[in-house]
Amino acid sequence: EPEVTQTPSHQVTQMGQEVILRCVPISNHLYFYWYRQILGQKVEFLVSFYNNEISEKSEIFDDQFSVERPDGSNFTLKIRSTKLEDSAMYFCASLSGTANTEAFFGQGTRLTVV
Amino acid sequence: QQQVKQSPQSLIVQKGGISIINCAYENTAFDYFPWYQQFPGKGPALLIAIRPDVSEKKEGRFTISFNKSAKQFSLHIMDSQPGDSATYFCAARRYSSASKIIFGSGTRLSIRP
Repeated sequence: EPEVTQTPSHQVTQMGQEVILRCVPISNHLYFYWYRQILGQKVEFLVSFYNNEISEKSEIFDDQFSVERPDGSNFTLKIRSTKLEDSAMYFCASLSGTANTEAFFGQGTRLTVV
Repeated sequence: QQQVKQSPQSLIVQKGGISIINCAYENTAFDYFPWYQQFPGKGPALLIAIRPDVSEKKEGRFTISFNKSAKQFSLHIMDSQPGDSATYFCAARRYSSASKIIFGSGTRLSIRP
């Protein structure tokens, strides 16, 4: 069964450092998303990406965040200067865009900012 | 208006019992209501979903009841098993536009043997 793959599974970084979280969406999918889940809290939308551009972003997704699809397979989330409050699980999701489809989530990257 | 409200926050059910989780939404533009199951350290996985043109959908032991006029929907897990112990999120989105998913706050379900 096709799946969304995220790397790394766990990233520890110093406050102020840049991090890049990587995702390989399901191959024929056209819509890509990043969500965040702070420990014990709900899953929050960060950004959606379609046709090589951001289609929607939340208030959380400020200038410190960026997304990119550098090649035909990877979808990345970059945090330029991490803050303690960026510590969370980050989930990538993809959706095919055809009728009757559902978004599939990756296993997540646990980001710990120290 | 974008919120999806979920209750209870946590739930303990005896093995074989019925687990019931409730959700309510405000935005009438939402027309797709999935439920996700999440195990510790894993991503949310789609469990079952419903469109508002039906009032109930059943898949095995899992049933969604949907009340369009009240803007409420619920998940029922029949014959609950220890393997059902997980966090459950209700969610909503606009189906046709591949829009973002709005999640409820989650319910931590524990099934006692």
